[in-house]
Amino acid sequence: GNSVTQMEGPVTLSEEAFLTINCTYTATGYPSLFWYVQYPGEGLQLLLKATKADDKGSNKGFEATYRKETTSFHLEKGSVQVSDSAVYFCALKDGSEKLVFGKGTKLTVNP
Amino acid sequence: DARVTQTPRHKVTEMGQEVTMRCQPILGHNTVFWYRQTMMQGLELLAYFRNRAPLDDSGMPKDRFSAEMPDATLATLKIQPSEPRDSAVYFCASGFSDSSNQPQHFGDGTRLSIL
Repeated sequence: GNSVTQMEGPVTLSEEAFLTINCTYTATGYPSLFWYVQYPGEGLQLLLKATKADDKGSNKGFEATYRKETTSFHLEKGSVQVSDSAVYFCALKDGSEKLVFGKGTKLTVNP
Repeated sequence: DARVTQTPRHKVTEMGQEVTMRCQPILGHNTVFWYRQTMMQGLELLAYFRNRAPLDDSGMPKDRFSAEMPDATLATLKIQPSEPRDSAVYFCASGFSDSSNQPQHFGDGTRLSIL
């Protein structure tokens, strides 16, 4: 079946540090891939997406590239801010309306 | 921006009481999803609807949980009787069924505490 594996958290960084959150997936077809972000006390918000191999999704300084050869969709940001502190979820959709989520990675950015 | 609206935002009640959570999906969306989030289990899909018809409720404890869509603008999730282990944040999400690359849009959740 389809699955998403994210790096275990929590991740703690200093402001302006480089961020990578690893995400790999298993899917039978050609899924669409998503990163969602959840700020404290809020629901999940779509951060970025990619729908086919080699697509790069980007938003708010975050980027992720759909790598079919390594079945990965790692999230990166060059310089994190305190306001980026949140939980990040990697997810896929593969011919179904249902999203398959990773377990989430909590990011804390200290000033 | 259109949003998924959930009510109430917070609910505290005693075990054994009935709990009803409501969700107004984004106008025009034809799929609705109910999720539960806990520290231990993370994000779990409880049930989902397409065009108001229930398609999958395999994630939901059938003996005490029920989910319905009385009309296209309202989805409900009921727990009767409630138990302390039901304490969690319950999220509703909505989306389109016609394209696999479209995301789901989430509400801000109902934080439920069963004493």
